Amino acid sequence: DAGITQSPRYKITETGRQVTLMCHQTWSHSYMFWYRQDLGHGLRLIYYSAAADITDKGEVPDGYVVSRSKTENFPLTLESATRSQTSVYFCASSAVGGLGGYTFGSGTRLTVV
Amino acid sequence: GESVGLHLPTLSVQEGDNSIINCAYSNSASDYFIWYKQESGKGPQFIIDIRSNMDKRQGQRVTVLLNKTVKHLSLQIAATQPGDSAVYFCAEVSGNTPLVFGKGTRLSVIA
Repeated sequence: DAGITQSPRYKITETGRQVTLMCHQTWSHSYMFWYRQDLGHGLRLIYYSAAADITDKGEVPDGYVVSRSKTENFPLTLESATRSQTSVYFCASSAVGGLGGYTFGSGTRLTVV
Repeated sequence: GESVGLHLPTLSVQEGDNSIINCAYSNSASDYFIWYKQESGKGPQFIIDIRSNMDKRQGQRVTVLLNKTVKHLSLQIAATQPGDSAVYFCAEVSGNTPLVFGKGTRLSVIA
């Protein structure tokens, strides 16, 4: 199906484990983004990518790693999960950066125990 | 640092009334603004946008007003319906930088 999909939908992991959240879009959008959403903080940018093999840090990048070897995929890895990384993670894509807005996935709810 | 915020964290309105959700921004260089709606368990959904060279833009039942003098953005929803219950976010863009989101306002529609 066309669109932007995130997987898994829900994930529980233990402190210290590595976990990867997947994001796939079918529009060939140049830009992709990872946000985390926490109560009281709204949506905060973790990392973004303007094109394949180009990534940049956002507001809260510590503890996260991204890669973009293909235009359609933008995985987010938590190298060693901490409880403070318990959050809802949203991936988004855009054809032209900010203008026109972003299209968001349905999110991944991650709980670190 | 630069930030986007909201005046009211929660808003309750009667069904059929008009809703007004406000947003303040501090980056005078922002040239594009967007309102998003987020329903429970879903990702944010684009509602309406406005460029900085405009002061008003209308969509279906929604109007966005931009006051650059006081750096204020508002979203007006006409004849609010139960389906409008959600969290609403404003977001701003300066040039080609990523969107910066406000913290959100929860709109609750009372039937």
